[in-house]
Parts: sequence; structure tokens; C-alpha cells
Amino acid sequence: GNSVTQMEGPVTLSEEAFLTINCTYTATGYPSLFWYVQYPGEGLQLLLKATKADDKGSNKGFEATYRKETTSFHLEKGSVQVSDSAVYFCALRSFNKFYFGSGTKLNVKP
Amino acid sequence: DVKVTQSSRYLVKRTGEKVFLECVQDMDHENMFWYRQDPGLGLRLIYFSYDVKMKEKGDIPEGYSVSREKKERFSLILESASTNQTSMYLCASSLGAGTGNTIYFGEGSWLTVV
Repeated sequence: GNSVTQMEGPVTLSEEAFLTINCTYTATGYPSLFWYVQYPGEGLQLLLKATKADDKGSNKGFEATYRKETTSFHLEKGSVQVSDSAVYFCALRSFNKFYFGSGTKLNVKP
Repeated sequence: DVKVTQSSRYLVKRTGEKVFLECVQDMDHENMFWYRQDPGLGLRLIYFSYDVKMKEKGDIPEGYSVSREKKERFSLILESASTNQTSMYLCASSLGAGTGNTIYFGEGSWLTVV
């Protein structure tokens, strides 16, 4: 079956620290992988995506590389800001359906 | 930009009431989804529609039904609301073909059942 597992939060960092949020997946076929971000009181917004193995998705300083050999899609950012505080969801698309991880809350302190 | 609009942001309903949550998308997407989001449980798929009048159960369909009479509109119906259906409900849409196609979300509807 299809599933996504991501690290539990909350993750608390100081401003300018390095961020990694781990995500691994189980999938049938050849899924596309996504990271979504949710700010308080809002819906989910696409942060980045990768559609095949070894692709790197990037946006707003965030990056993630589709690693088929380790079935992972870890989210990284070199220097986080207070405005990055949000909940981050890893997801995969297999055929017409999307499967989401449970979300990781990130708190960035000034 | 794709826009997914949920008609109500905040609702308070009584136990036993019939509740309608409406969702409209403006990008001619084939697929539409209803998710429920609860703390610690992430997003759980309630129902999925891949075409007008077509629907498929998700992971937690019990107590819910859906309607898709037009391509742009997907309604979630709680036939008899219960307190355990207090939650945030997220509507989403995506194109049908192409594995890289993204899912787009509305802002969510916060439902409280008292």
C-alpha cells in the first residue's frame, strides 16, 4: 500500500539554524512526492515537489531530493526564519490519490 | 492561480442536524477531495471524486456522504452531525492525468458540533 511517515514534532529551532524534517514513504508504482506547508488557520499550500527519482524540488530556500533507494524525501533549509514557523506535511501521489504524513510542527524562535 | 473556495470558514451546528459543506474550484480539475484534519492524526481522506457524479470512499467515509452534480462543485454532507465530527474539513482539487499534478487546498472549514 501507500503511506508516508514523517518525524514527529514539534521541532524548535533558533533563527538561522539548519532545518531537516525527515520523510520516508511506501508506495506502489512510481509516485510523485510533495512538501506542503500550513500556516495557522489556513489550508495547505504547495512548498515543493519532485516527480521522479533523483529530482530535487526547491522553493523559498527549502529543498528536498527524491531518493528512491532509501524511499525518502527529507526537507532541508539552510537558515530558518521566524516566518517559517508552520506545520509541514510530506505527501505522495500515486495514480489519482494523495497520501499525507501526519505533519511536523516547526517553531522558530528569534 | 488555482482557487478552491469553501463556502463557510466557521460553523457551529447541533447534534443531529444535517450539515452541508460546499466547495468550488475554478480550474476545471477532474478530481476533488474532502479531507478531515485532526490534531495528531494528520489529514484523513473522507471521499474522493474523479468526475461528475462519480465518487469513491476514502479512509473514513462513515457518517458522511458527498455530491458532485457539476464539475466545479463538490459538497460534503453530514447526514446527522455528531460531536465526534467536530473538526477542520479541507476541500481540495487536482488535475486527473499526470503523476506530477499538484493537489490544491481550500482554506478549510472549522465545524463545531455541540
